[in-house]
Amino acid sequence: DQQVKQNSPSLSVQEGRISILNCDYTNSMFDYFLWYKKYPAEGPTFLISISSIKDKNEDGRFTVFLNKSAKHLSLHIVPSQPGDSAVYFCAASAGANNLFFGTGTRLTVIP
Amino acid sequence: EAGVVQSPRYKIIEKKQPVAFWCNPISGHNTLYWYLQNLGQGPELLIRYENEEAVDDSQLPKDRFSAERLKGVDSTLKIQPAELGDSAVYLCASQTGGTDTQYFGPGTRLTVL
Repeated sequence: DQQVKQNSPSLSVQEGRISILNCDYTNSMFDYFLWYKKYPAEGPTFLISISSIKDKNEDGRFTVFLNKSAKHLSLHIVPSQPGDSAVYFCAASAGANNLFFGTGTRLTVIP
Repeated sequence: EAGVVQSPRYKIIEKKQPVAFWCNPISGHNTLYWYLQNLGQGPELLIRYENEEAVDDSQLPKDRFSAERLKGVDSTLKIQPAELGDSAVYLCASQTGGTDTQYFGPGTRLTVL
């Protein structure tokens, strides 16, 4: 049973516009959420994270929003750049234990 | 600071052959993970080590998979014998105590013919 879900396999956005990647989870024990970015033939690279005690965390062009009541989080990239084109994985953990990953969303930023 | 190192990057073997993957975590990271990633899927945990102790190997298919981390630093994941369905990317990640963020190596892409 998939505890972390990314229902959009792909997303295309024009350069300079906002990219919004979504993620849903089912396990209410999850208390830490992360986004990883993956280029072809490379391992996932940590991008940004958020603790369940917060509802927003911002790092430069990247912002993660957490809605605990809806068990939903999203990653906003503003402005989107061609170098942001990659597969983005949402992940969650409970008590600093094992990570559970979604299936990923392939973002394409069109120049 | 060097990242997580894995070798080999690519491996092609015939079914029923053995294969081994090696991982060197980030210096000082006491927690080490092995993940399996199939095409179009997210990474799935195989085993987790705290220093040299395997604290979670519930998802490791123990009939053919084995792992070790003898001195609490480097780790080796072995498959014997390999099956066609084992074709995937095997990722190693490490984490330092008190944090939730795992850092991944580049992975080993295994192809079983």
